Amino acid sequence: SAVISQKPSRDICQRGTSLTIQCQVDSQVTMMFWYRQQPGQSLTLIATANQGSEATYESGFVIDKFPISRPNLTFSTLTVSNLSPEDSSIYLCSVRTDSNQPQHFGDGTRLSIL
Amino acid sequence: LAKTTQPISMDSYEGQEVNITCSHNNIATNDYITWYQQFPSQGPRFIIQGYKTKVTNEVASLFIPADRKSSTLSLPRVSLSDTAVYYCLVVPTSGTYKYIFGTGTRLKVLA
Repeated sequence: SAVISQKPSRDICQRGTSLTIQCQVDSQVTMMFWYRQQPGQSLTLIATANQGSEATYESGFVIDKFPISRPNLTFSTLTVSNLSPEDSSIYLCSVRTDSNQPQHFGDGTRLSIL
Repeated sequence: LAKTTQPISMDSYEGQEVNITCSHNNIATNDYITWYQQFPSQGPRFIIQGYKTKVTNEVASLFIPADRKSSTLSLPRVSLSDTAVYYCLVVPTSGTYKYIFGTGTRLKVLA
């Protein structure tokens, strides 16, 4: 299965700033996804990161708040903009190589807002 | 996308077999059933996936009845290290390929 590295693993940020999270995969993958997991909760899909095109966002998530880049088949970034305490969560990247394979997840980025 | 329902929590003792059942009444013909395990401070880890009948690997078995409206994850002889949250997902094999996570089952294994 693909090896997924997320950076940073955790961060503490000030209100109003932004944080960019990186997701690096050790092989080329067609599908990459970004999730949010609030404390004690399940995972919620933020968006699907498409290589060479705009990301597809789920209801309740907008590009201005969560801009995503997908410059190639092994890398993606998620930026969480204009941080507020409500953004304190774990942000996870996942990848899927084809329709018959399960998604594989990184270990996430734990974000806390002061 | 099919919604899943599973128990919020379960307790078990070391050495016992644990069965976690998930209902997915609206599963589509081409959907797979997939189970993940998540430990604190880690991303979900794939356990097992199946389409129908029974699938077994080195860590678990997955039982799916003919109507596919439910599935049961079976963990043989659990240990303390199996304490985790277990998620059942219905996974589309076409279209958006999106995963919709339910609440999961919080399994606590007791000594």
